Order: sequence, then C-alpha cells, then structure tokens
Amino acid sequence: GQQLNQSPQSMFIQEGEDVSMNCTSSSIFNTWLWYKQEPGEGPVLLIALYKAGELTSNGRLTAQFGITRKDSFLNISASIPSDVGIYFCAGAFNTNAGKSTFGDGTTLTVKP
Amino acid sequence: DADVTQTPRNRITKTGKRIMLECSQTKGHDRMYWYRQDPGLGLRLIYYSFDVKDINKGEISDGYSVSRQAQAKFSLSLESAIPNQTALYFCATSDSGQGTKSNEQFFGPGTRLTVL
Repeated sequence: GQQLNQSPQSMFIQEGEDVSMNCTSSSIFNTWLWYKQEPGEGPVLLIALYKAGELTSNGRLTAQFGITRKDSFLNISASIPSDVGIYFCAGAFNTNAGKSTFGDGTTLTVKP
Repeated sequence: DADVTQTPRNRITKTGKRIMLECSQTKGHDRMYWYRQDPGLGLRLIYYSFDVKDINKGEISDGYSVSRQAQAKFSLSLESAIPNQTALYFCATSDSGQGTKSNEQFFGPGTRLTVL
C-alpha cells in the first residue's frame, strides 16, 4: 500500500529558531494535509493542500505541495514553546477518498 | 462542547476481557474512523464507515470489530483484549459533502487503553 516517510523523527530546537519537516511518498497524492497533536489531545488540522506546487500559510506555518505530488514540507518560523507537539503529514489519493495515509510524525521540542 | 467525544478516556483491563470504546459526534458528518496510535508508528487505520450501512476494514482490523449505531455514533470493540492492543485510540470524522475538503478529518481526544 501507500507509504509515507516523514522526517525528521524528532527535533530539539531553541525558541526563536525556524523548523522544517517533510514527507515523501512512493505514490502520487492529490491532497496533502498537516496535523498537530498536543499532549493528551487528538490531532488538529493545520494546513490542507490541494494542488501541486501550492504554497499555503497559516500564521507562522507554511506548507507546500511538491511539484511531483510525491512530497510536502512544513515550515514553522520563529518557534515558540507552544509549538511543542507531534506533527503529522497525511496524504490522500482521491480528492474525495475520505481515507488518508499518515506519516509516523515529527516530535518537536522547543527549549525556552 | 467538544464536537467529537470519546468514552472512556482511560481504561485498564485484563487479557481476555471484552472492551468497547465509544465515539459520538455532533458535527453532522457522515464518515467516521477508528485509529490506533503507538509511539513512533503514527496513526494506523483500524476501521472506517462512510455511512450507517457501510463498514470497511482498515490496515490493522484483526482483533477488532466496530458498530455504526447511528450517523453520530461509532463504537470499537476488542472481543478478547491482549497486551499488544495497549495503545492510544482515536476516533475521527469527515464530511463527504465538502468536495475537495472531504479528506479533512476531525479527531476526538483519544482513549488510552492498557491491557494487562
């Protein structure tokens, strides 16, 4: 089946630093989604991408849908302590599939 | 109030016991999902349902069963729990009527299950 490789697995950064994480797939996706999971809670959608090459921002977060449709990245600028959590990428093949394949997550720790 | 709720939030049980985890949603979504999360393994799909009469196996359905009692309710059962089913379980919903946004999922707060 489809597999996503998400990297890095974990990051330890200083407050104020920028963060970059990415996902690559062996298959083409038509939708890429980025979620954040805070401790003790379920994942929450951050950004959704629907077109190859699309670049979308949500506050300090920016995500891009790769041109090949096999990859996506998420950047966080000027990190703050509340950015701590696990970030998941997810891809869906059909725009209305209702089913997504999730990456294994990037655990982000921000030191004040 | 939370749109997607899960009960219980925490459960400790013994090997061989039958366990039911429940999920309710007030979002009016037709699609519901059950995932399992293990450290370092992300979210793995157990079962999903696209409407009340539709039930589909996910990638790790063995040892689990589900029931879609109503559009708003989707329960997950472990008929005979075993220790390697110890994990965090999440319910999620999505709305097929949202076109390209139909893949956007909304998650409950999770149930932490420990099987001794």
